[in-house]
Amino acid sequence: DAMVIQNPRYQVTQFGKPVTLSCSQTLNHNVMYWYQQKSSQAPKLLFHYYDKDFNNEADTPDNFQSRRPNTSFCFLDIRSPGLGDAAMYLCATSRVGEGQGEAFFGQGTRLTVV
Amino acid sequence: AQSVTQLGSHVSVSEGALVLLRCNYSSSVPPYLFWYVQYPNQGLQLLLKYTTGATLVKGINGFEAEFKKSETSFHLTKPSAHMSDAAEYFCAVSLLYNQGGKLIFGQGTELSVKP
Repeated sequence: DAMVIQNPRYQVTQFGKPVTLSCSQTLNHNVMYWYQQKSSQAPKLLFHYYDKDFNNEADTPDNFQSRRPNTSFCFLDIRSPGLGDAAMYLCATSRVGEGQGEAFFGQGTRLTVV
Repeated sequence: AQSVTQLGSHVSVSEGALVLLRCNYSSSVPPYLFWYVQYPNQGLQLLLKYTTGATLVKGINGFEAEFKKSETSFHLTKPSAHMSDAAEYFCAVSLLYNQGGKLIFGQGTELSVKP
């Protein structure tokens, strides 16, 4: 059973056209993360939500925003995608307080900017 | 600050041979360490984790890793490689001690398995 679900798996968007990627979870985890992964690179954390608290990484461009309307869903908004934003976007979840630090990842959304 | 270094961006082994992927970490507190595997166009799947207790950790698909504090290492091994093991492997340390926290990843090691 899928536990972290990302939609769509593949997204093509036009240069400068806003795009939203979605993530949902059935694990009831209180932390949700968005990572960006470019080809042959490690995942890079963009931001995370600890419950409703939004935590932005210092080097995440302003072009990237996120929303978490409830525990189960989290969205990544790219306001004006550039060619450099083409990447795999990974959503992950974990439960703070269990002391294990284990993150569960979705299948990812591969974003193409044309 | 915590960090992870994976030695070797690409490792190639023959089917049936030993797999050894190297990972060294830097952490000012006792670390939580993880190995994840990623197949092409897929998300990351947890192979195994070290939190506390036994330093030899067994994971899925026949992989295991040993936490060596004196060497600050957490190398991943598998006695006999299978073609299906070909993938990208990431070592990671949890940034927040004793919490489900942010992961700091190594650069990754691509494993190729030759028939």
